[in-house]
Amino acid sequence: AQSVTQLGSHVSVSEGALVLLRCNYSSSVPPYLFWYVQYPNQGLQLLLKYTTGATLVKGINGFEAEFKKSETSFHLTKPSAHMSDAAEYFCAVSDSLANKLIFGSGTRLLVRP
Amino acid sequence: NAGVMQNPRHLVRRRGQEARLRCSPMKGHSHVYWYRQLPEEGLKFMVYLQKENIIDESGMPKERFSAEFPKEGPSILRIQQVVRGDSAAYFCASSPRRDDGYTFGSGTRLTVV
Repeated sequence: AQSVTQLGSHVSVSEGALVLLRCNYSSSVPPYLFWYVQYPNQGLQLLLKYTTGATLVKGINGFEAEFKKSETSFHLTKPSAHMSDAAEYFCAVSDSLANKLIFGSGTRLLVRP
Repeated sequence: NAGVMQNPRHLVRRRGQEARLRCSPMKGHSHVYWYRQLPEEGLKFMVYLQKENIIDESGMPKERFSAEFPKEGPSILRIQQVVRGDSAAYFCASSPRRDDGYTFGSGTRLTVV
């Protein structure tokens, strides 16, 4: 069975500081990995995804994530946080044969002025 | 191209009533997925449908919940005889292909009083 663990339900950074949101997954088959962002009272927006190929994936709004198979990780980073980045971030995994995404429990990012 | 449209945005039902949630996928998307988000939790898969077919309903509660995606019209998630524990945000997503990354709607927030 697949699963996703997001370390830290809340992460607080200063504006301009590095953002690092952690995601570890468990999968018995090569995974497809996703990061989504959710603003209050809104749906989820896809930030980036990894399917195959290059392990460093660039997404929207300056975010990127690196697939590390040996560490079963897919951490999300952004070099410089902006106030507008404050939101909840979800990591998700699926396999090539499955129909559904398995989501982590989410990390709420707070950005301090 | 309009996004995934869900209505209503907010729905209040008394215990024992029926709730009907509607989802119109993006144009050209024939795969529809329903997820439920309980307060302070991540999204949990409920059901995956293609036109007129239920592909995977492994996340659907065995009783009171049903879903359909008719040849014409939106996908419907139906909850009969609602209980307080059904209070949640219900998100619909669509994709043109499996494992392609979903586009989520803004959700329907169901409150059972």
